[in-house]
Amino acid sequence: GQQVMQIPQYQHVQEGEDFTTYCNSSTTLSNIQWYKQRPGGHPVFLIQLVKSGEVKKQKRLTFQFGEAKKNSSLHITATQTTDVGTYFCAGPGAGGTSYGKLTFGQGTILTVHP
Amino acid sequence: SAVISQKPSRDICQRGTSLTIQCQVDSQVTMMFWYRQQPGQSLTLIATANQGSEATYESGFVIDKFPISRPNLTFSTLTVSNMSPEDSSIYLCSVVWSEAFFGQGTRLTVV
Repeated sequence: GQQVMQIPQYQHVQEGEDFTTYCNSSTTLSNIQWYKQRPGGHPVFLIQLVKSGEVKKQKRLTFQFGEAKKNSSLHITATQTTDVGTYFCAGPGAGGTSYGKLTFGQGTILTVHP
Repeated sequence: SAVISQKPSRDICQRGTSLTIQCQVDSQVTMMFWYRQQPGQSLTLIATANQGSEATYESGFVIDKFPISRPNLTFSTLTVSNMSPEDSSIYLCSVVWSEAFFGQGTRLTVV
């Protein structure tokens, strides 16, 4: 079945440093979504990428979708303690007929040291 | 957007018992999704709950262990049956309108 691999599993940074997490899929994705889960919270949608080579920015966050639509990245510039949490990428679920099914990457747990 | 109320938020249960988790959505949706998130892990889809038909389960999940009800377009329940410590996880319900919205999660500990 479809898999979405995400690295690294953990990342510890000093406040002000940059952070990047990467996702790779075994198959071409129609779209990829990114979610953030704060400690003790539930996943919250950040963004969706659809087009090959697409780049989107949200303040200090930059999201990229690869040309082949098999990989994606999330880059945070100058991390802050409020960025702490787990970042997940998610692609459409296998089996495809049930709209809305998602296959999540393993997530990257970001710790920011003040 | 969607507002999802999920309860209970947490519970500690004895092994061998069952727990029913409820999700209420503030608007009608065709499909609701139930996920499990084991400690420190990613989200794994358990099943898709459709109103008026049986839920569709993902590989590794069976109806006898995780029965689901979907009595109307705004409500669903997931039961975790005959629990063991391995069932200790966060259980999340979700609906999708271009993006996924999640309930607050149920943090289940089985002792």
